[in-house]
Amino acid sequence: GQNIDQPTEMTATEGAIVQINCTYQTSGFNGLFWYQQHAGEAPTFLSYNVLDGLEEKGRFSSFLSRSKGYSYLLLKELQMKDSASYLCAFDTGGFKTIFGAGTRLFVKA
Amino acid sequence: KAGVTQTPRYLIKTRGQQVTLSCSPISGHRSVSWYQQTPGQGLQFLFEYFSETQRNKGNFPGRFSGRQFSNSRSEMNVSTLELGDSALYLCASIGAGGGEQFFGPGTRLTVL
Repeated sequence: GQNIDQPTEMTATEGAIVQINCTYQTSGFNGLFWYQQHAGEAPTFLSYNVLDGLEEKGRFSSFLSRSKGYSYLLLKELQMKDSASYLCAFDTGGFKTIFGAGTRLFVKA
Repeated sequence: KAGVTQTPRYLIKTRGQQVTLSCSPISGHRSVSWYQQTPGQGLQFLFEYFSETQRNKGNFPGRFSGRQFSNSRSEMNVSTLELGDSALYLCASIGAGGGEQFFGPGTRLTVL
């Protein structure tokens, strides 16, 4: 079957670093997405990992291990505006994307 | 370049009615996917269309259907509405290179 898991909620302090983990199981896999979704808004694209390794984009980095079915999103120098849901999703390669339930991140002062 | 647009933004229906939602992708994008988002469930894949053809569908009952027109605009229809169909319905378009999905603002459907 296909499934994807990520923590429901996380809390971190402004200025700190937080890592949001995601594990998945699937027979078909093209790549792993991370999206950010603020309350009441549409998801916006953060990253897409196809190969193993770490990809850095400003304060955000995403890591993928295909053999372990594991990814994480690393957010550095947290800001209050980073309070949002972070959605992990994988491209099955069959014109279908499977999303996790999302991790709600609360950034406190 | 204009983004993905969805109409209507909000809709209130009663059980047993049917509803049609519309999605216009980014100009030049031919792939459109639809998702249902409910609290705790996350985004659930409904179906994907490309050049008027449904290429994949999720695990939803037959009451959920969709189509795509030659201009890539897409519609989804839900018949015989149930209370559990209350959700945010999102569509997303993908460019020719694949990868990133660009989401519309969604249609918030409430079934009473």
